[in-house]
Amino acid sequence: GAGVSQSPRYKVAKRGQDVALRCDPISGHVSLFWYQQALGQGPEFLTYFQNEAQLDKSGLPSDRFFAERPEGSVSTLKIQRTQQEDSAVYLCASSFANRGGYTFGSGTRLTVV
Amino acid sequence: AQSVTQLDSQVPVFEEAPVELRCNYSSSVSVYLFWYVQYPNQGLQLLLKYLSGSTLVKGINGFEAEFNKSQTSFHLRKPSVHISDTAEYFCAVSDFDSGNTPLVFGKGTRLSVIA
Repeated sequence: GAGVSQSPRYKVAKRGQDVALRCDPISGHVSLFWYQQALGQGPEFLTYFQNEAQLDKSGLPSDRFFAERPEGSVSTLKIQRTQQEDSAVYLCASSFANRGGYTFGSGTRLTVV
Repeated sequence: AQSVTQLDSQVPVFEEAPVELRCNYSSSVSVYLFWYVQYPNQGLQLLLKYLSGSTLVKGINGFEAEFNKSQTSFHLRKPSVHISDTAEYFCAVSDFDSGNTPLVFGKGTRLSVIA
């Protein structure tokens, strides 16, 4: 597609519920990144894929967070047993070569109540 | 490890006045530098980037930034702002030597343009 598409745009989850956030990168983009942006803060790195390989997951805050990109295109970020501190905007970005800056999606705003 | 410091959390400025948003970075290796803009309820849009070459970089919407290696700075400037420039601005850095490191962002500067 023309841009990075994320769905849903908004998600309200009850504490303890599992959620899945989807990212459709730009076609042909090899690199895909997930970031978490808390209110009033800059984005913080969660994890990185090159094609289907997850090369860096050092930013995932706990083992409740899991990401996958099984066919090297669409990626899903899953959060199990959501907690209030998981409330944030989750941004996905993709790039062709990782040195020219990324293209970001509009994000998914997750609110855990 | 890299880090980015945006010295001002909020910058109010009158329309048509010049503005400078400050960014300093810390890194033990050579870096790429970026400025992104975020409008409310939207993702981040790339304004400009420094990869190599001329230290003065021109971007979209009339913005420019200057890379100063000795001062480890990458300040963003615009000679005359518009109401539509009201947004959050993020400075970011990535590792030059490795092709696969993620961007590290500053906490952002909220630019408010006053009519």
